[in-house]
Amino acid sequence: GQNIDQPTEMTATEGAIVQINCTYQTSGFNGLFWYQQHAGEAPTFLSYNVLDGLEEKGRFSSFLSRSKGYSYLLLKELQMKDSASYLCAVMDSNYQLIWGAGTKLIIKP
Amino acid sequence: GAVVSQHPSWVICKSGTSVKIECRSLDFQATTMFWYRQFPKQSLMLMATSNEGSKATYEQGVEKDKFLINHASLTLSTLTVTSAHPEDSSFYICSVRPGLDPNEQFFGPGTRLTVL
Repeated sequence: GQNIDQPTEMTATEGAIVQINCTYQTSGFNGLFWYQQHAGEAPTFLSYNVLDGLEEKGRFSSFLSRSKGYSYLLLKELQMKDSASYLCAVMDSNYQLIWGAGTKLIIKP
Repeated sequence: GAVVSQHPSWVICKSGTSVKIECRSLDFQATTMFWYRQFPKQSLMLMATSNEGSKATYEQGVEKDKFLINHASLTLSTLTVTSAHPEDSSFYICSVRPGLDPNEQFFGPGTRLTVL
C-alpha cells in the first residue's frame, strides 16, 4: 500500500529553526510536495522536489532523498504566522497526489 | 497562478437534505478538477476527478450516487452531497491542475459542511 508518515505535532520557539520530516512508500514517484495549511483554509504550495538534494526558498528549504524515501521541510527564523499544519504529499506513477496527515506546528513566543 | 473559488465557504444543513458546492476556475479553462475531503486532523482524501463533458472518476470507497459531480463547463464543477448525514460533515476542497506540470496545482478556499 501507499503510505506517507510525518509527525502529528511539533512545537518550536519564535526565531528558532524547525525540521519536519516525511517518509514515504508509494507506487512510483513523480515528485514530493510540501504545503502549508492554516486552520480552516485550503493548502498553499510551499515546495516541490523531484531530484535528490536541497531546494532553498527564502526561510523555507526542502530536502529529498529518493533512495531513502525521505524528505524534510526546514523552517528558519520562525515567526508566529508560521503556526500551521504542514502537509507532505507524493505524486505517484499515476500522477495522483498521496497526502500525509500533516504536522501541526505550534510556535511559542 | 490559477485562481479557484468555491461557494459557499461554509454551510450548515439538516440531516437528509442535499447540499451543492460550486468550484470555479476564474482565469483559465479547466478540463479537469479534483474534489478532496478533509476530516479534522486528517490528510486530504481525493474523492473524485471531475472531467468536463464526461462522467467523473470516483476513488474507491466514494459513493457516486451520494456525491454527485457535474462538470458542465470548462470553468465550473459542482459537487452535490445528497441526503447528507452528520458523518458527511467535513471540509471539501476542489483543485485544478492547469497543465501537465505537476508543480502546478491550485486549490480553492474550501467549503466547511456541517450536517446537524
